[in-house]
Amino acid sequence: GDSVTQMEGPVTLSEEAFLTINCTYTATGYPSLFWYVQYPGEGLQLLLKATKADDKGSNKGFEATYRKETTSFHLEKGSVQVSDSAVYFCAFNDYKLSFGAGTTVTVRA
Amino acid sequence: ETGVTQSPTHLIKTRGQQVTLRCSSQSGHNTVSWYQQALGQGPQFIFQYYREEENGRGNFPPRFSGLQFPNYSSELNVNALELDDSALYLCASTVSGGFGNTIYFGEGSWLTVV
Repeated sequence: GDSVTQMEGPVTLSEEAFLTINCTYTATGYPSLFWYVQYPGEGLQLLLKATKADDKGSNKGFEATYRKETTSFHLEKGSVQVSDSAVYFCAFNDYKLSFGAGTTVTVRA
Repeated sequence: ETGVTQSPTHLIKTRGQQVTLRCSSQSGHNTVSWYQQALGQGPQFIFQYYREEENGRGNFPPRFSGLQFPNYSSELNVNALELDDSALYLCASTVSGGFGNTIYFGEGSWLTVV
């Protein structure tokens, strides 16, 4: 069935380190892909999205490219900050959002 | 600020009771969906409403039901609460018309069943 698999956490980094969170999906057709972020005690916020193959979504220094050939949508940021500490969810939309299990990222000063 | 507000933010219920969670969406968002997020897990789709009719449902029993109103508000009702219903319940809204449309989430309602 349709599903999202993302890198398990937790991930702990030092400030200014490079972050990558892997995400692959299994879906019929070509869904739109999303990264959502959840800060402690809060709801979900859209971080970025891509709606077709080779699209690159970007926001707040984060980037992800829709790779149809590898069914992937890996999230990257070149230099993380303490404020990036959160749980990150990869998701796709084929009338409803299907989420991965989430990756907890902690950035140390 | 997503324009989606939920109430209450926290509540505690006893097993067997019933609960109603409320959501108010942005004007013009004719599609609302509800998700359950258990602790440490990703959100799971409960159901979706479009123009006041349910048009999609996840793997949840019938004791989970909903309503959508013309004023862009909606409700999630859960009957005969079980301990495993303890979770964060998220309301999400969007304008229908494409799977690439941004879906906006509220802050959620934390439900604890004891």
